[in-house]
Amino acid sequence: GAVVSQHPSRVICKSGTSVKIECRSLDFQATTMFWYRQFPKKSLMLMATSNEGSKATYEQGVEKDKFLINHASLTLSTLTVTSAHPEDSSFYICSARPSGTTTDTQYFGPGTRLTVL
Amino acid sequence: GENVEQHPSTLSVQEGDSAVIKCTYSDSASNYFPWYKQELGKRPQLIIDIRSNVGEKKDQRIAVTLNKTAKHFSLHITETQPEDSAVYFCAAKFSSDYKLSFGAGTTVTVRA
Repeated sequence: GAVVSQHPSRVICKSGTSVKIECRSLDFQATTMFWYRQFPKKSLMLMATSNEGSKATYEQGVEKDKFLINHASLTLSTLTVTSAHPEDSSFYICSARPSGTTTDTQYFGPGTRLTVL
Repeated sequence: GENVEQHPSTLSVQEGDSAVIKCTYSDSASNYFPWYKQELGKRPQLIIDIRSNVGEKKDQRIAVTLNKTAKHFSLHITETQPEDSAVYFCAAKFSSDYKLSFGAGTTVTVRA
C-alpha cells in the first residue's frame, strides 16, 4: 500500500515552453502533497505544500507564478513549470501524506527528470 | 524554520561492519524524525522513523536513537551488506505542520 506515482518520469522540452508534472496517490487519499526539487547529489528542497481544494503554500524564494500547483482532487496534484528555462532542469519529486490519519509519514513518488534545452 | 545538519557526507564501510549517521536539528519543537534511503535515480524510501516521545527504535538491522536534550538523532545499520549502499537522508518535522526539513544526505558505500 501507500504508492505514489508521477508522470512523466522524464521530459525534455525547449526553453520557453511549459511542462506539467502529475503526482497521484494510488491507494490512499492525500489532502496534503508536497513538491520537492533535487539537484544532482544534493538534498531534497521543499518547494511548496499542495493542499486539496485550496491554494498551495510556497517556500521562501520559490516563485508561485513560475511553478503553478493545482490539487484538484484527493489523489492528484500537478506542478506546472511555466516558461521553462535551462536553470529549471532538475529532478522534481512529490510526496503525499495520507489524509484521515494522524500519521506524519510522507510517501514519495519516483520523481520526474526535467531537462530544458 | 527547521535546520537539519547531517554527518558524515560520505561513509565507506566493510561488509559486515556497522554504519552510523548522525543528525542534529535546531527546533526543539520538532517531534517526528524519519530516515529515508535513496538509490541513484530512485525515490526516497522510508526505512525507519521515530517520534519525540521515544528514545530508540529498532527494526532488524536498522535502529534509530533520539536525544531530545541534545537535539540529535542517529541511524545505526548493523551487519552492513552491499545492498545497503545508497544515499541516506535524515529529516525532521516541525510540530505545527507536516513539512519535513531534510539533511544534506550521506552516501554510504559498503565494500564487499
